[in-house]
Amino acid sequence: DQQVKQNSPSLSVQEGRISILNCDYTNSMFDYFLWYKKYPAEGPTFLISISSIKDKNEDGRFTVFLNKSAKHLSLHIVPSQPGDSAVYFCAASAQSSGTYKYIFGTGTRLKVLA
Amino acid sequence: DTEVTQTPKHLVMGMTNKKSLKCEQHMGHRAMYWYKQKAKKPPELMFVYSYEKLSINESVPSRFSPECPNSSLLNLHLHALQPEDSALYLCASSQQGDYGYTFGSGTRLTVV
Repeated sequence: DQQVKQNSPSLSVQEGRISILNCDYTNSMFDYFLWYKKYPAEGPTFLISISSIKDKNEDGRFTVFLNKSAKHLSLHIVPSQPGDSAVYFCAASAQSSGTYKYIFGTGTRLKVLA
Repeated sequence: DTEVTQTPKHLVMGMTNKKSLKCEQHMGHRAMYWYKQKAKKPPELMFVYSYEKLSINESVPSRFSPECPNSSLLNLHLHALQPEDSALYLCASSQQGDYGYTFGSGTRLTVV
C-alpha cells in the first residue's frame, strides 16, 4: 500500500516557467511533509517542509502548498532553472505519534529545458 | 561541519564476504538512520538509532547488522548478502524531534 504517491514519474518544463510537482497521501495521521531533491550519485537534499497547521510555505523560488481535505500537496518552482533538473521526492510523517519515520513517494523526474 | 559522510562510495562484494558501511556526522544529531534505495524507487527505511540505541528495525534481514558505537558514528555490517541486496545505501541524521534529515551521498553496493 503506497501511502505517499507521486503519480507523475516525469515532467518537462521550459526554463523560466513554473514547475508544479504533485504528491498525494492516504494516511490522515500524517502531519509533516518534506520535499527532497536528488541528483544522480548523490543523497537526497532537503528543499522545503510544511506542517499540517499551515497550508503554504515559501522559500525563495520554492513554495509548497498543502490541501489537507484533499490529502494533496504540491511543490511550485518559479522560475524554473536548468539546475533544478533532478528527481523530486515528497515525504510524509506522523510527527504527533512520536515517530521519525518518513514515508517517501516514488519521485518525479523534473527536466528543465534551456 | 554540516555534512553526513559515508564511506566507501562504492563497494563490490561476494556473497560470502563480510564488509561494513560507515557513516559519520559531527552536527550533534542524536538520531541516525539507514535507508536502502533501489533504482527508480524511493528510499526505504531500514533502521533508526536514537541516542545510540536502536529504536526502529523495519524487519530487515539479519544479514544486515547495524551498530552505533557513539553519537557521531553509524555502521552497517554486511554478511552473506544476496545479489538482490545490491542498492544505494543512504545514511541520514537529524536532531531529535527535528523536522528533516541531512542525508549522506550514499554507498553504491553491488553483490556478486
